[in-house]
Amino acid sequence: QVQFVQSGAEVKKPGASVKVSCKASGYTFSSYSMHWVRQAPGQSLEWMGCINGDNIKTEYSQKFQGSVTFTRDTSANTAYMELSSLGPEDTAVYYCARGSASGSWLIDYWGPGTLITVSS
Amino acid sequence: EIVLTQSPGTLSLSPGERATLSCRASQSVSRNYLAWYQLQKPGQAPRLLIYGASTRATGIPDRFSGSGSGTDFTLTITRLEPEDFAVYYCQQYAAPLTFGGGTKVEIK
Repeated sequence: QVQFVQSGAEVKKPGASVKVSCKASGYTFSSYSMHWVRQAPGQSLEWMGCINGDNIKTEYSQKFQGSVTFTRDTSANTAYMELSSLGPEDTAVYYCARGSASGSWLIDYWGPGTLITVSS
Repeated sequence: EIVLTQSPGTLSLSPGERATLSCRASQSVSRNYLAWYQLQKPGQAPRLLIYGASTRATGIPDRFSGSGSGTDFTLTITRLEPEDFAVYYCQQYAAPLTFGGGTKVEIK
């Protein structure tokens, strides 16, 4: 079945960068896009963007343009999200999530999330 | 971008009761690209319940149903099971993706 293993929780200082990994299994990794969504404490879910299956095209939410980078290593079935210039407002659980094969941007499977805490 | 407003914020019900959750969009959702997700607890992966406004995802029990079109959508859980007490989010997946604020279904 479709499964994801995300990297462990991290504490970062303001101004630092963080890179979260998401290892996928149970499907053909290169055939599906990967989305990234975050949830700050007490807040709703927030879409950050996605990277398509062949690692050529990325789409970033306007809010995160310039501060986030998505990459993927097809040989390792792993996707990465790097967020730079962290501030306390970036404290959140970060989820990777698979885009469905429907041709739309529907998300069908999610990882368990990685907690990133930004604190001095 | 499309803003989704969910109501109520919290729903207090007993097991076996019916839950009706609402999601209203600030503009029409094209092709009814509206999905519902369940988030049971922090640290767990959200689960896709409904897509295309009314199609149940694989393995989702038939006590979950979705309806609506345009700007008004509803998720109904006909008989609440203990594992259904969770937070539910609607999402529209016409680009860019946006989520509603969530409805918490709690045990009364």
